Amino acid sequence: DTAVSQTPKYLVTQMGNDKSIKCEQNLGHDTMYWYKQDSKKFLKIMFSYNNKELIINETVPNRFSPKSPDKAHLNLHINSLELGDSAVYFCASSQDRLQAQHFGDGTRLSIL
Amino acid sequence: GDSVTQMEGPVTLSEEAFLTINCTYTATGYPSLFWYVQYPGEGLQLLLKATKADDKGSNKGFEATYRKETTSFHLEKGSVQVSDSAVYFCALNLGGSYIPTFGRGTSLIVHP
Repeated sequence: DTAVSQTPKYLVTQMGNDKSIKCEQNLGHDTMYWYKQDSKKFLKIMFSYNNKELIINETVPNRFSPKSPDKAHLNLHINSLELGDSAVYFCASSQDRLQAQHFGDGTRLSIL
Repeated sequence: GDSVTQMEGPVTLSEEAFLTINCTYTATGYPSLFWYVQYPGEGLQLLLKATKADDKGSNKGFEATYRKETTSFHLEKGSVQVSDSAVYFCALNLGGSYIPTFGRGTSLIVHP
């Protein structure tokens, strides 16, 4: 069974569109994250979230917003997509912010 | 702020060579330290971790020792294999309201 699963695996869309990426974890973890990885493999954390607290990386544009319907899910919604949003987006989870993280396989977003 | 510095890659080795990937950190407290590995087309996986000074993490022949005096967590392996070719990330977690901090990643290429 996949511990952290993301959908879709590939997402190709046009500039200006709004899109969502879904993430689910079946590990019973309390904390979930979203990361952006660029073409040089640089990993940038975007959000860290548990049922008590959302921590936002201050450099993330407000076009990006996390939405959590329940503890096992943390979806990423992106408004008005721009060319620079093209990247691989990873979801991850951990028991708490001090523990190791479990990553999904990524969503490859391409903006035309 | 907190930071992790890794040696730039790519690191290119022949099979059975000795591997060292340097990692140093700055942190406001006493972090847990991690090495993650990312194989092509996949998400990051935890390779090893250490939670306090002088702890040694080890897994799959890889080792790293938490050195508080030099604020380092260098990754080593005595004999690399072609299958070790991947990108390696050093990371620290402080827990609480802190978000995890990752290094920029080091690409390892192992030739037969």
